Amino acid sequence: DADVTQTPRNRITKTGKRIMLECSQTKGHDRMYWYRQDPGLGLRLIYYSFDVKDINKGEISDGYSVSRQAQAKFSLSLESAIPNQTALYFCATRRTGGDETQYFGPGTRLLVL
Amino acid sequence: GNSVTQMEGPVTLSEEAFLTINCTYTATGYPSLFWYVQYPGEGLQLLLKATKADDKGSNKGFEATYRKETTSFHLEKGSVQVSDSAVYFCALASGGSYIPTFGRGTSLIVHP
Repeated sequence: DADVTQTPRNRITKTGKRIMLECSQTKGHDRMYWYRQDPGLGLRLIYYSFDVKDINKGEISDGYSVSRQAQAKFSLSLESAIPNQTALYFCATRRTGGDETQYFGPGTRLLVL
Repeated sequence: GNSVTQMEGPVTLSEEAFLTINCTYTATGYPSLFWYVQYPGEGLQLLLKATKADDKGSNKGFEATYRKETTSFHLEKGSVQVSDSAVYFCALASGGSYIPTFGRGTSLIVHP
């Protein structure tokens, strides 16, 4: 089984709709991250969380919100989706201390019409 | 602030050719450096890393050496395979929070 899972894997929605992307991990890591990937722009950080009570904005947090329901779960919400939020979204995890490696989920491909 | 610059793609090679993907960085302090690979339809996964100057990371025939004097971490492989076709991301992490900074990615296409 995958250590970092994301649901849904693909989603089509309409402008103005609220949607939620979910991320779960079984790695026991305390740190979790949300990124979006756009062609030619690489990965950009949306939000990150160092533990359940610690949520931080990344470089492109406008239009997004997050919830860390438990150490293993980190959800990303688009309150009112717009077409330029069409992208590939990745969740990642990392353990505090030691190895700085991030572990990524398989991604959610979102299309906003 | 921190930044990572990597060569634009796509890089197109024939099987068994030599690969170099250039990566240079700007960072305060002494960052750790990474190469991640993204195969089609998948998330990123760590390919190799180096945590201090002159360290060489290696994995699956790929290598990269942390060059502090030239602020570079170029990825190399002596003989690429079709299965190496993917997008490669250079990244760095520094400071106490270790929030990584990623390059824009370089697409590699290997033809039989």
